[in-house]
Formats: sequence, structure tokens, C-alpha cells
Amino acid sequence: AQTVTQSQPEMSVQEAETVTLSCTYDTSESDYYLFWYKQPPSRQMILVIRQEAYKQQNATENRFSVNFQKAAKSFSLKISDSQLGDAAMYFCAYRSANTGNQFYFGTGTSLTVIP
Amino acid sequence: KAGVTQTPRYLIKTRGQQVTLSCSPISGHRSVSWYQQTPGQGLQFLFEYFSETQRNKGNFPGRFSGRQFSNSRSEMNVSTLELGDSALYLCASSFRQGAYNEQFFGPGTRLTVL
Repeated sequence: AQTVTQSQPEMSVQEAETVTLSCTYDTSESDYYLFWYKQPPSRQMILVIRQEAYKQQNATENRFSVNFQKAAKSFSLKISDSQLGDAAMYFCAYRSANTGNQFYFGTGTSLTVIP
Repeated sequence: KAGVTQTPRYLIKTRGQQVTLSCSPISGHRSVSWYQQTPGQGLQFLFEYFSETQRNKGNFPGRFSGRQFSNSRSEMNVSTLELGDSALYLCASSFRQGAYNEQFFGPGTRLTVL
């Protein structure tokens, strides 16, 4: 089974600064998708950014970007110009393109934004 | 467009009881997935339904079951509740099946088993 590891249970960043959240995964598949989801306190999970494994170009969504290293099986999330509203639990997730639609989630990183 | 709704939002049950949770997907979405979220195990996939058929199932005992109706609404049932079933149960919907499709999550049902 695929596993997703987030080695940083907690991170903090100063407002307006940049922070990088780490994620590694283990899979024998070559075709898959990777996601970062954000879960604010007592609020719904929302998709932050996603990456197709076959694309070499790193995905970018406004202040959010990823560093996808397929050979190293690494998928980190960079948040630039951090805002107070970025404070949340961030989950990295893996989804196979071939063997079903289930997500495999990491254990999450709790991000605190310091004013 | 209304988001994914889950009812009830909070539930308290005792061991041995059974519970049914409901999920209404975003209008037009036909795929519904269920997840269990606990502090110890994180987010774990329970099952996915598409067009009233279970398409995928996670590694949970048979006490956990679900179904999907013709209007895409889904229910999840847990029988013979155990203390370890206390969790936040999340439902997510997407327009179609397919790994790339964005899943939209509901607010969850917080189940406490005493």
C-alpha cells in the first residue's frame, strides 16, 4: 500500500514570510496524482494544489507552489507571503491513477502564522 | 452552489449502538467518498460510491457500511459501536470518478462513543 509521510507535525511562519512543508511518499506506481489539502480549524478541508506525476513542471496556484521530485518521491508545498488565513492543518495526499480513487493522506502539518 | 452537507454535525452514542450518518453531495456530483479522521490514525479512506455502486473500499471491518441513493445522497452506517469509532467522519463529493478530480469535503460529523 502507498504511504505518505509528513515529518513536520508543526510549523510556524512569520506573516509575509515563506514556509515550506515537507511530504514524501512511497509507491511502486508511475502514474499518480499528488495533492495538498488545507483544513482550517473547525472548517472544511479544501484543495490547495495538485500535481500530476507525469508532468515535470511544478504546479503553482497564486502564493502556493510545489517542489515535485519524482525520483526522490518528494512533494513539498511552499507558501509565499504567508497570511493569517493560511493557519491550518495541511495534508499531503496521494492518489493512484489506476488502482482506485482512494486518497492516502499524510498525518498532517499544523501551520501557525505569527502576526 | 451549495457545498457538501453532512448531518448530523455532532452525535453521541454508547458502545453497542448503531449510527447512520448522512451526506448530501454538491448538486450534479455523482461520486461520494467517506473518510474517518482521528488524531491517532489521521485520515483513512472508508469507501467510495458512484452511481449507487460501491467502487472502492478501505480497510475497515464489516461493521462499517454505506449506500448511495439515486439522487447521489449517501449514508454511512456503523453497527455495534466501539470506543475506537469516535472520530470525525468526512464525506467528499466529486463530479465524476477519476483520480485527478477534485474532491469537495463536507464539514464532517463528529461521533463520540461513550
